[in-house]
Amino acid sequence: QKEVEQDPGPLSVPEGAIVSLNCTYSNSAFQYFMWYRQYSRKGPELLMYTYSSGNKEDGRFTAQVDKSSKYISLFIRDSQPSDSATYLCAMGTSYDKVIFGPGTSLSVIP
Amino acid sequence: KAGVTQTPRYLIKTRGQQVTLSCSPISGHRSVSWYQQTPGQGLQFLFEYFSETQRNKGNFPGRFSGRQFSNSRSEMNVSTLELGDSALYLCASSVAGGPYEQYFGPGTRLTVT
Repeated sequence: QKEVEQDPGPLSVPEGAIVSLNCTYSNSAFQYFMWYRQYSRKGPELLMYTYSSGNKEDGRFTAQVDKSSKYISLFIRDSQPSDSATYLCAMGTSYDKVIFGPGTSLSVIP
Repeated sequence: KAGVTQTPRYLIKTRGQQVTLSCSPISGHRSVSWYQQTPGQGLQFLFEYFSETQRNKGNFPGRFSGRQFSNSRSEMNVSTLELGDSALYLCASSVAGGPYEQYFGPGTRLTVT
């Protein structure tokens, strides 16, 4: 079993839809959780960073962490064609390397 | 503030050769991490340097090495290149290292023929 699992997609949604992206993990020691967006032929771009459980909102993006279920989510409201990219979850502890999920490919259709 | 820069952006090498990639972090960032990204394996951690010291290392063979200079710039070296080393090599910088907010460069696309 991989440490971090993520549905690779591809996920295709109409413009304006709410998108839900999810990751599950096995290491209960993870405390820090990140979401990155990566456009084709570019480096990943940090979208959200959260510590421990709970929700964090930034504009159209909401990150949710449920440590009891070892499950994290990223919600995108009012999705736009410019949101079409690969979304990577990442997580780690304060003393070890960051582990990335394999990424979910998202297409938002105008 | 300027972002993370990586040079060169594209590189073609032959099996058996060696290669050196360079990364300049965001000003004020003392940690640099290197990752290998391939379609099959995704983003895999190579190593992290903080204040010129290697702090963490991933599960890669000894052919992969790195270093960090006093100005926080970092280089990674791959010796005796293999076809399987073809990948996008990304570096990421952060203020303090670890799992904190990391900012990625555009990557170096290495092709080994």
